[in-house]
Amino acid sequence: DAGVIQSPRHEVTEMGQEVTLRCKPISGHNSLFWYRQTMMRGLELLIYFNNNVPIDDSGMPEDRFSAKMPNASFSTLKIQPSEPRDSAVYFCASSSFSRSYEQYFGPGTRLTVT
Amino acid sequence: KQEVTQIPAALSVPEGENLVLNCSFTDSAIYNLQWFRQDPGKGLTSLLLIQSSQREQTSGRLNASLDKSSGRSTLYIAASQPGDSATYLCASSSPTDSWGKLQFGAGTQVVVTP
Repeated sequence: DAGVIQSPRHEVTEMGQEVTLRCKPISGHNSLFWYRQTMMRGLELLIYFNNNVPIDDSGMPEDRFSAKMPNASFSTLKIQPSEPRDSAVYFCASSSFSRSYEQYFGPGTRLTVT
Repeated sequence: KQEVTQIPAALSVPEGENLVLNCSFTDSAIYNLQWFRQDPGKGLTSLLLIQSSQREQTSGRLNASLDKSSGRSTLYIAASQPGDSATYLCASSSPTDSWGKLQFGAGTQVVVTP
């Protein structure tokens, strides 16, 4: 099993640019989670999906953030326009009911907005 | 709302000493509890998952216990090694939160000195 795959691993962009982060969950997992981690705020849950349907997006900080899951094997998190305070590590994780919802994390995308 | 606390925030032990990491939660009605390890600049790695019907789980030198009545879980790492240096996070999921959403503690940063 390849694990959760995220791309890009590093992203440096200028303020105002659009940023798209990508995630491929573990095959067979039906829940997908997007997190953000910073030194100041720790690990924050942004949004999660079950069976490709968004369940709870209350953690999405602003309308500048949006997430989609068009199919079971792909999800995107988009920031438009990006701001310096969006700089963080963004993690994607997946889980399945058949494995007691044990969550498996991807390696993360380190985003720097200058 | 479930709150998860990890004390202390940081811990330093000499190599060979047993590690004891604490996790407390406010709502005893949990679905499961998961322990993670995070190395600097890396994603979270799942160490152990304890379901609500279990009292402990073991993997190699790691043993995690769960006491729902007191709202506590403890991660024991036997005969610590410098390679055990990392941040350890616990997280619980509740039957009332859909699809395996996790509530994380802030983590305990562990340093094992040679």
